[in-house]
Amino acid sequence: DTEVTQTPKHLVMGMTNKKSLKCEQHMGHRAMYWYKQKAKKPPELMFVYSYEKLSINESVPSRFSPECPNSSLLNLHLHALQPEDSALYLCASSQDRGSIRNSPLHFGNGTRLTVT
Amino acid sequence: SQELEQSPQSLIVQEGKNLTINCTSSKTLYGLYWYKQKYGEGLIFLMMLQKGGEEKSHEKITAKLDEKKQQSSLHITASQPSHAGIYLCGADGDYGQNFVFGPGTRLSVLP
Repeated sequence: DTEVTQTPKHLVMGMTNKKSLKCEQHMGHRAMYWYKQKAKKPPELMFVYSYEKLSINESVPSRFSPECPNSSLLNLHLHALQPEDSALYLCASSQDRGSIRNSPLHFGNGTRLTVT
Repeated sequence: SQELEQSPQSLIVQEGKNLTINCTSSKTLYGLYWYKQKYGEGLIFLMMLQKGGEEKSHEKITAKLDEKKQQSSLHITASQPSHAGIYLCGADGDYGQNFVFGPGTRLSVLP
């Protein structure tokens, strides 16, 4: 069982909907990540939070809005998505962004998002 | 920026056979990570290698980081259907930014 929990597991939303993806970890990690994965492709980094502050935004469209309410929680707010945004969205955490070279990422099982 | 290549892209083996997956980096590797992913699921962390020449094992899976630290290999001994999945190598990117992944190797093990 993964120690990073993502909800929901599946989400279908229309292009005018607003929804949120949630991620939780209780490993005391101080860095959290959002990745997007299309079929048969490796995960692509979207956002990195370090100590609850956004440290990396990989030029992600503003229809994706991340939020880190505390060190254990990470949200991804979705609004006005396009069908091409359909993908598996993965959350990950690591011990410390600053010492990432000694800190593997631990992934949740992902949210399978379908935009209709 | 750092790029990772994996070979082969896909692999089909008979149960009980040994196999090797390779990961090659365009730059020196300071931390190399191996993950396994089942279809539609999250990534499972397998092993982390940091030092040139380092070798680690987990059950029947062994990973090595070569001395020049630009290549890693993942070896599975006596493969089982449970080993099937996508194996991804990952590495720290430039200046500690961006954790980058290789494209993955899709492994099928026939019973």
